[in-house]
Amino acid sequence: QKEVEQNSGPLSVPEGAIASLNCTYSDRGSQSFFWYRQYSGKSPELIMFIYSNGDKEDGRFTAQLNKASQYVSLLIRDSQPSDSATYLCAVSYGGATNKLIFGTGTLLAVQP
Amino acid sequence: ETGVTQTPRHLVMGMTNKKSLKCEQHLGHNAMYWYKQSAKKPLELMFVYSLEERVENNSVPSRFSPECPNSSHLFLHLHTLQPEDSALYLCASSQGTTIRAYEQYFGPGTRLTVT
Repeated sequence: QKEVEQNSGPLSVPEGAIASLNCTYSDRGSQSFFWYRQYSGKSPELIMFIYSNGDKEDGRFTAQLNKASQYVSLLIRDSQPSDSATYLCAVSYGGATNKLIFGTGTLLAVQP
Repeated sequence: ETGVTQTPRHLVMGMTNKKSLKCEQHLGHNAMYWYKQSAKKPLELMFVYSLEERVENNSVPSRFSPECPNSSHLFLHLHTLQPEDSALYLCASSQGTTIRAYEQYFGPGTRLTVT
C-alpha cells in the first residue's frame, strides 16, 4: 500500500528560526511532490511543488527532494507566527487519474 | 479560495435526509476531485472527474453519489448518511491534461455533521 509518512508534531520553533518539515514516501515510482499549508478551519493551500532531485526555492520556502532516499522536506526560513499551520505532504500516485497520496500533516507552531 | 467555491460551507443533516454539495471552479481546469478530511486522518480521495468523465471511484459507499455536468461544476449527492460520515468535504481542481495535472487547488470545504 502506497503511504506518505509525516511526524504529526507539533513542531515548535522560535520566530526567525528555520523550520524543517520532513516527509517519506513508499512508492519509488512517484514523480511529483507537493507541500500544502492548512490553517485551522481552512482548506489546504498549495505552497510548493517539486519534480526533480535537489532543491527548489521560492521566497522563504525551500523544498528538497531525494528520490534515492524517498524523502522530501520543506524548509521555512525566518519563520513567522503566521506560518503556524499544518503542513501536508502529498505525493503523486501515477497513472491517468492524477491521484495524490497525502500524509497526515505536521503541525508547526512558531513562537513569537 | 475564490478560484474554487463550495456551497454550503456548513451542513447539518439527519441520517434520513438527502442533500447535495456543490463545487464550482473558475480556473479553467478540466479535472475535479472530491476529498474527505476527518480528524487525525490523511485526506481521502473519493472521486476524480477528468473531462467530465469519472475516472476514479475510490471504494466509496453508494450513499455518496457524484455528478459532473460540465468541467466547471461538481456535485456530491448525499443520502442515508451515517454519523461517521461527518467530516470536512473538500473539492479540488487541476489542469488534468498537462504536466501540472497533479497541482490541485482546493475549495474552502463543506463541514458536514450527520446527526
